Amino acid sequence: QKEVEQDPGPLSVPEGAIVSLNCTYSNSAFQYFMWYRQYSRKGPELLMYTYSSGNKEDGRFTAQVDKSSKYISLFIRDSQPSDSATYLCAMSGLANYGGSQGNLIFGKGTKLSVKP
Amino acid sequence: DSGVTQTPKHLITATGQRVTLRCSPRSGDLSVYWYQQSLDQGLQFLIQYYNGEERAKGNILERFSAQQFPDLHSELNLSSLELGDSALYFCASSAAGGAISPLHFGNGTRLTVT
Repeated sequence: QKEVEQDPGPLSVPEGAIVSLNCTYSNSAFQYFMWYRQYSRKGPELLMYTYSSGNKEDGRFTAQVDKSSKYISLFIRDSQPSDSATYLCAMSGLANYGGSQGNLIFGKGTKLSVKP
Repeated sequence: DSGVTQTPKHLITATGQRVTLRCSPRSGDLSVYWYQQSLDQGLQFLIQYYNGEERAKGNILERFSAQQFPDLHSELNLSSLELGDSALYFCASSAAGGAISPLHFGNGTRLTVT
């Protein structure tokens, strides 16, 4: 079983739709959870960052962490064509990695396409 | 623009050769990280440096090595290249070595081994 599982998609939605992206993980030591967005031919850019369980909202984006289920989600409201990209979840555990974010474990990414 | 600069953008070389990838972190960032991204493996952490010292090591092959110089730029050296080393190599930087500092990625070097 891989440490982080993410459905690769592709996921195609119409403009204005609510998008739900998810990752599951197996390592209960993970405490820091991130979502990165990667456009074609670009490096990943940090979208959302949460610590432990709970929700975090930033504009049209909401990140949810359920540590009991080892499940994280990213919701995009009112999706736009400019949201078309690959979304990568990433996580790290303080105990296992000595606080170093270098040992971020990434999902393989979900490719999202928002059609006008 | 993340502020992280990677050169070259593209590199094509033959099996058995050696290449050097270069990374300049964001101004003020002390930590540099190297990642490899391939279609089948996704983003894999290779190695991290903090202020010139190796801080953490991931799935880095023995044929690969890295260093961070006093001016904080970093180089990733890949030797005895194999076809399977073809991938995108990303550098990222952060302000500190801890988990609370987000990573900022460069736009990568695309390595093709023929």
